[in-house]
Amino acid sequence: AQTVTQSQPEMSVQEAETVTLSCTYDTSESDYYLFWYKQPPSRQMILVIRQEAYKQQNATENRFSVNFQKAAKSFSLKISDSQLGDAAMYFCAYRIRDDKIIFGKGTRLHILP
Amino acid sequence: DAGVTQSPTHLIKTRGQQVTLRCSPKSGHDTVSWYQQALGQGPQFIFQYYEEEERQRGNFPDRFSGHQFPNYSSELNVNALLLGDSALYLCASSLLRTSGDQETQYFGPGTRLLVL
Repeated sequence: AQTVTQSQPEMSVQEAETVTLSCTYDTSESDYYLFWYKQPPSRQMILVIRQEAYKQQNATENRFSVNFQKAAKSFSLKISDSQLGDAAMYFCAYRIRDDKIIFGKGTRLHILP
Repeated sequence: DAGVTQSPTHLIKTRGQQVTLRCSPKSGHDTVSWYQQALGQGPQFIFQYYEEEERQRGNFPDRFSGHQFPNYSSELNVNALLLGDSALYLCASSLLRTSGDQETQYFGPGTRLLVL
């Protein structure tokens, strides 16, 4: 069965510093997608970044980047120059082609001013 | 361009009642997925609708049913509500490519259901 594990229930980072959120997943598939979603207190689930498993290059979106290690089944999110608006729950998620999305339990990120 | 919208935002029901939640997909999207998010947990997949048919289903009982209309909007119905059905219900829309691969799913703000 496919599973997604986020081992850090909560993390804190000083404003303007860099933080890395960890995620591991379990799958026997070779073609899949990985996502990081952000859910602020407003509850809206917002896509932060997406990675196709067949791409070796790590995805980057402005201050957000991932470290995708396919063999290790690891998909961490790095947030650079952390801002107060980055405070939220972050969910790592996995999907194969047209299948459902499987989410981890989330990591709550606190930004310290 | 309106994103995914859901109604109502909050709902309070009592055990045994029935509830209907509504979702309008993002413009241009044809597929709607529903997720249940219990407090402190990640979302769990309920089912997905495409071309007015249930295309995939997660591990939820038959009390959970849905519908998709010709304009791609969707409803989630839950019968015989239990206390454990209290959760945030999220709707996500996407475009199913002809290859069968979905574009990224975009989520609505959710409906918070409280069952007393």
